[in-house]
Amino acid sequence: DAGVIQSPRHEVTEMGQEVTLRCKPISGHDYLFWYRQTMMRGLELLIYFNNNVPIDDSGMPEDRFSAKMPNASFSTLKIQPSEPRDSAVYFCASSLTGGPHYGYTFGSGTRLTVV
Amino acid sequence: AQKITQTQPGMFVQEKEAVTLDCTYDTSDPSYGLFWYKQPSSGEMIFLIYQGSYDQQNATEGRYSLNFQKARKSANLVISASQLGDSAMYFCAMREANTGTASKLTFGTGTRLQVTL
Repeated sequence: DAGVIQSPRHEVTEMGQEVTLRCKPISGHDYLFWYRQTMMRGLELLIYFNNNVPIDDSGMPEDRFSAKMPNASFSTLKIQPSEPRDSAVYFCASSLTGGPHYGYTFGSGTRLTVV
Repeated sequence: AQKITQTQPGMFVQEKEAVTLDCTYDTSDPSYGLFWYKQPSSGEMIFLIYQGSYDQQNATEGRYSLNFQKARKSANLVISASQLGDSAMYFCAMREANTGTASKLTFGTGTRLQVTL
């Protein structure tokens, strides 16, 4: 298996622009998670899906952020409009189940810079 | 209260020596999993080792072992025979059973390990 695939690896955009991050989870994994990593706040869970349905989006910072999972093999995280404080590494991860004894497999992350 | 506490922001170890990275956790859930991830400078998150709350034996994976002390709620990572390639950020994480529809992985703040010659 190719693992969790994220694209792009790096994104530089201007403030106010729309940014779309993409993720392909491991086939057969029922759970998909979006995390954001910054120096100040560490790793924060933004949203997660179970069987393509958003379960908990309480970590999404504000309405500028939205996430979708139209099918089992694809998810997007969109920021519109982007702001410099959105600069971070965004990770997508997938998990076989929701149980406590299964870890996540992470993608390589997308490093977002908003200038 | 922090669910996962890593009190060592940074650690140094000489090559070929062993090093222990500390992790304490807080939960009232009897069923939980503890995980360690490595994040090298390239940025990816690499799973290292897992310990289940009901496991009687400490987990081991090659040069990695987990010193699990349930009563103390600690799950320290031990890296034996350190190598230069072990230089990275290390995160302790916990997944509890009873946190809703899916148990979320909660991370500590990490420990940056530097292996020296």
